[in-house]
Amino acid sequence: DAGVIQSPRHEVTEMGQEVTLRCKLISGHNSLFWYRQTMMRGLELLIYFNNNVPIDDSGMPEDRFSAKMPNASFSTLKIQPSEPRDSAVYFCASSFTPPTATLNTEAFFGQGTRLTVV
Amino acid sequence: AQSVTQLGSHVSVSEGALVLLRCNYSSSVPPYLFWYVQYPNQGLQLLLKYTTGATLVKGINGFEAEFKKSETSFHLTKPSAHMSDAAEYFCAVRGMNSGYSTLTFGKGTMLLVSP
Repeated sequence: DAGVIQSPRHEVTEMGQEVTLRCKLISGHNSLFWYRQTMMRGLELLIYFNNNVPIDDSGMPEDRFSAKMPNASFSTLKIQPSEPRDSAVYFCASSFTPPTATLNTEAFFGQGTRLTVV
Repeated sequence: AQSVTQLGSHVSVSEGALVLLRCNYSSSVPPYLFWYVQYPNQGLQLLLKYTTGATLVKGINGFEAEFKKSETSFHLTKPSAHMSDAAEYFCAVRGMNSGYSTLTFGKGTMLLVSP
């Protein structure tokens, strides 16, 4: 398996533009995390899906951010409109959470998307 | 809810010296604990994990960590640092919050290795 695949790796956009980040999960995984990493705040959880259902979106900064899982293997994170303070590295990570909800499975991370909003 | 505290945003060691990166956690349920490493411009990579059983866990690249429930700690160690160990290290806890599992990370510790 190629691992978690994120695209694009780098994105530079102007303030006010819409940005869409993409993530392909590892085959067979059913949990998906979106994180944002900045120098000031470190690694922040934005949203967590389990079996395509958003479980916890309390980390999503505001209504400008939205995330979807149109199918079991793919997710998008959209920012509309983008602002300079959204500049960060965005990671998605996937894991397998069995029906028994045991928690001993690790998350596998993609390489990240470095977003710069000018 | 669970949380993770990593003591020291930066740790500097000489090559060949002992590496000790500290992690304390809080969790309302028995925790599952992880250490990840991040090299520049890369994603996070799993170093090791504690689930149940043996409290001393061995990982990749010669790292190990010991789960101490009484101290709520999961410190990461390596007997002898290599230059290639220079990276950022994250401790994480997976637990339950309001009926669903979450994965919570500490703020990270940058390990600097000097010749």
